[in-house]
Amino acid sequence: GQQLNQSPQSMFIQEGEDVSMNCTSSSIFNTWLWYKQDPGEGPVLLIALYKAGELTSNGRLTAQFGITRKDSFLNISASIPSDVGIYFCAGIPRFGNEKLTFGTGTRLTIIP
Amino acid sequence: DVKVTQSSRYLVKRTGEKVFLECVQDMDHENMFWYRQDPGLGLRLIYFSYDVKMKEKGDIPEGYSVSREKKERFSLILESASTNQTSMYLCASSLALGGRMKFFGPGTRLTVL
Repeated sequence: GQQLNQSPQSMFIQEGEDVSMNCTSSSIFNTWLWYKQDPGEGPVLLIALYKAGELTSNGRLTAQFGITRKDSFLNISASIPSDVGIYFCAGIPRFGNEKLTFGTGTRLTIIP
Repeated sequence: DVKVTQSSRYLVKRTGEKVFLECVQDMDHENMFWYRQDPGLGLRLIYFSYDVKMKEKGDIPEGYSVSREKKERFSLILESASTNQTSMYLCASSLALGGRMKFFGPGTRLTVL
């Protein structure tokens, strides 16, 4: 099955720094989703994007649906300790049976 | 509060054993999913079900089977566990098959010795 390329694989940042991560695909998606997984828990939906070019915010998080429909970006501003976790992008393809395809994940660690 | 629960958080089994992983959701969702999560590979879909007694193969169904006898319960079965099935298993449910509002359980970390 198809996978999404997510980068970076891991990030080590200091509290207060901004964070950027992205997800790319060789094929088109008509919906992009961003999930966060806290240690020991299942993923939780953060942001959903439905239109090319769309920019959506959820508190300090901002995500964008790329114009080409083949990529998406997530930014976190002014990181805090509870931002630690694994962030996953996920997409629903334009054609197909609507199954969700997940990215490989970005592990965020905040250095005290 | 919506909830997806999984029967065990941690499980250790021996090679060749039959393993059952249970998932229960209380949201009356039609669709339920089993994923496995491995470092560097993200979440990969094993099987999903869009109705009672209905099942569809995901991307990596080999070595697994599923059972959905009741709407709220979706079981993942490893017929003969192998060491390469050591992984984190995540159950999820949703109303729509596209899964925009997909709710995940806390996961079961399975170790096969």
